[in-house]
Amino acid sequence: SQQGEEDPQALSIQEGENATMNCSYKTSINNLQWYRQNSGRGLVHLILIRSNEREKHSGRLRVTLDTSKKSSSLLITASRAADTASYFCATDAGQAGTALIFGKGTTLSVSS
Amino acid sequence: GAVVSQHPSRVICKSGTSVKIECRSLDFQATTMFWYRQFPKQSLMLMATSNEGSKATYEQGVEKDKFLINHASLTLSTLTVTSAHPEDSSFYICSVSFPSVSYNEQFFGPGTRLTVL
Repeated sequence: SQQGEEDPQALSIQEGENATMNCSYKTSINNLQWYRQNSGRGLVHLILIRSNEREKHSGRLRVTLDTSKKSSSLLITASRAADTASYFCATDAGQAGTALIFGKGTTLSVSS
Repeated sequence: GAVVSQHPSRVICKSGTSVKIECRSLDFQATTMFWYRQFPKQSLMLMATSNEGSKATYEQGVEKDKFLINHASLTLSTLTVTSAHPEDSSFYICSVSFPSVSYNEQFFGPGTRLTVL
């Protein structure tokens, strides 16, 4: 099963611009995580935000979480060509050790 | 973080054959592993939860007799796609659950691309 939509499905920007991706989910969550996947490769964990947090930063990444709207956003600032990848949000609602439920993902293309 | 390996990374097989995919947790013991499937240009879909020493728990719509999961040790889970057909062609990814004190941390393998001719 999947939690919901990611918006936009595809995003094309120029190097140096900021990229914002949104994720919505349906059920109550424990944590929300963002992952990156380069074409045909495995997942790279980017950042985790807990349900009692509203904003978190890690380098050029900024994640927000609005549990009242059941949504999260990922902002990548000063994007680089190397940021080109698919980005997925993933939630877990249960005890530690439960599976992650992934959103549909946003494909980001950064051109130089 | 934990290191998770998958083998093989890529496999091509004929329709009707069975394929085994291994997922190994290299540096810690994992009582729980997860198997996901990803079709081209789509997201990851959970197939099953693999528990060491017990039967796997399958998601709705996933045939347990077709996708055999064995988690015989704390470091190895295997997924066998039996009588594979072209529609089983996909990217299969495992993850290892590492429940830390405060959150559900998971580590993903690099994935196995299965192509059934």
